[in-house]
Amino acid sequence: DQQVKQNSPSLSVQEGRISILNCDYTNSMFDYFLWYKKYPAEGPTFLISISSIKDKNEDGRFTVFLNKSAKHLSLHIVPSQPGDSAVYFCAASNNQGGKLIFGQGTELSVKP
Amino acid sequence: SAVISQKPSRDICQRGTSLTIQCQVDSQVTMMFWYRQQPGQSLTLIATANQGSEATYESGFVIDKFPISRPNLTFSTLTVSNMSPEDSSIYLCSVTGVEGTAYNEQFFGPGTRLTVL
Repeated sequence: DQQVKQNSPSLSVQEGRISILNCDYTNSMFDYFLWYKKYPAEGPTFLISISSIKDKNEDGRFTVFLNKSAKHLSLHIVPSQPGDSAVYFCAASNNQGGKLIFGQGTELSVKP
Repeated sequence: SAVISQKPSRDICQRGTSLTIQCQVDSQVTMMFWYRQQPGQSLTLIATANQGSEATYESGFVIDKFPISRPNLTFSTLTVSNMSPEDSSIYLCSVTGVEGTAYNEQFFGPGTRLTVL
């Protein structure tokens, strides 16, 4: 049972344009969502998070949108840079001990 | 955030042997976790490392296979016992409760890449 899904395994975007990474979840008990970026041979790096009481959180070039009714969240990166090329994971928590459920990841490639 | 280190960073082991992975944090944290990322897969939680008591294991993971210790608030170990090639994965520790961050913000170590022959 995949509770957190990232249906796009890969995404290619031109430098300077917007990257939109999507994530869907099935468990309505999730109340905290996070995005991580992962380079090969490194651990995931925390990017941005959002609580279920909000529908948007912004940090520099990164914005996360949450649509609770659709059980959907997205990460927007504007403008995209070649250094953003990595695998992006969304993760969800139901505030029970901090346990995270991860999606499968989306590999973003930003082309110069 | 916290600085999290893992030892070893990688290892190649023979079938049937065991490997202990260490996770060290540069500050006291509330929770420590161990995850596994098998080739081409997402991250899966193995267990929550509880300070001073037995770890809490997720479905499909057992203490005999993955014994965990957490003697204090900054250190934990994960042992992969009686290894088989199916245990070849990246093993990651993570922490929450870092001072100055939200409770659910979880930070990861660099990972230990294990190959079992």
